[in-house]
This record gives sequence, C-alpha cells and structure tokens, in this order.
Amino acid sequence: GQNIDQPTEMTATEGAIVQINCTYQTSGFNGLFWYQQHAGEAPTFLSYNVLDGLEEKGRFSSFLSRSKGYSYLLLKELQMKDSASYLCAAFNDYKLSFGAGTTVTVRA
Amino acid sequence: NAGVTQTPKFRILKIGQSMTLQCTQDMNHNYMYWYRQDPGMGLKLIYYSVGAGITDKGEVPNGYNVSRSTTEDFPLRLELAAPSQTSVYFCASSYPGEGHTEAFFGQGTRLTVV
Repeated sequence: GQNIDQPTEMTATEGAIVQINCTYQTSGFNGLFWYQQHAGEAPTFLSYNVLDGLEEKGRFSSFLSRSKGYSYLLLKELQMKDSASYLCAAFNDYKLSFGAGTTVTVRA
Repeated sequence: NAGVTQTPKFRILKIGQSMTLQCTQDMNHNYMYWYRQDPGMGLKLIYYSVGAGITDKGEVPNGYNVSRSTTEDFPLRLELAAPSQTSVYFCASSYPGEGHTEAFFGQGTRLTVV
C-alpha cells in the first residue's frame, strides 16, 4: 500500500515564497508528481521527479529525496492565480496514487 | 488534439439506477485510471489499466466495474447507484515510457445520486 501526507492548508502573501512538503511511504516507488488543481477543474501537471535533487521550472521547483521518502514543491513570487490545491502523487507498481492535497491561499 | 474526453459532464441518478461513465483518449497511452474526488478531498483511485484487456482494482473499487477492450476506451460502470457514490469522477491516461510522462486528465463527470 501507500501513505502520502501533505499539509491541508497554507496561506501566503502575494510575491512571497511557499514550500509544500510531501512525505510518502510506498512500495515499488518510481517517481513523484506534483499537480495543480483549481476549484472545479481537472488537475494539471506541474513537475515530475525520478532522481534525488531539485527540478526547476520557472517560478515552480520540486525536490525529491528517495531515501527519506520526502518531496517538496516550492512556489516563488506568488501570484493571486496560484491560489489552488496542490496534489502530491507517487507513481508505483503501475499506479498513480495521490495525497489529499494542500490548499494554498494567496492574499494581497 | 482532443486528449482525454469524458462524458457526460453532469448526471443525476436515482438510488439503484445504473450508468456508464465514458472515457476515451487519442494519445495511444497504455495506462488509464479512474479516480473519484469528494468535496475538499484528494483523488482516490478506483480502477486502473496498464493496457487493453488488463484491469486492476485501486483503493476504492467496491460498487464499480471497468473494462478495457481497446487502447482508447476505459468505461466505468456503476451498477446500483448509492448516495455514497456522489462525487466528481476523473479519468486519466499516461504513457510509461522512458522518462515517464505525466498523466493527462479529462474534465471530470459530476455525479449526484439522490
């Protein structure tokens, strides 16, 4: 089975940085995805980490430590449109399993 | 490029009725998934398929059935609808090649059972 944990909610100010942590316990781990989901919409892909280390994509970065079962998503220069739910997902044994999601609220 | 298409977008069912949620993808992806998402919650895996003719249970398969007769289609069947099945259902597909690509999601089906 798998257990994927992430905080329920986070609030930050426009222009600031927020780090969303995700811990996972899973067998047959192949990689870690981050998705963004706005209310009432489908999830959209943000990043994928297979190897340890940091992957940077513009304002968003994602980090993975396989030995610690830990990942984080870093959102820089927050904008109001970044208010959304951020989902951590582990790919293992052919399955893509999601955490409960972290709702990020960006305030002016 | 259509991607992943789900139909219908909305549906209201009475308790005990049955229905099929359709999902089709035109990206030649091997892997397909069905998830449900309850309000304020994450995605829970119902069933998944790694290729035509192969399906397997996810976390919450009870009350659902699937089939995968072609690479493109992965319908989800509810035989006896119950209020607990009120949810938003998402279908997704991916191609597990080298440098596994992300899963692409359909726009969802909002189902209410009354």
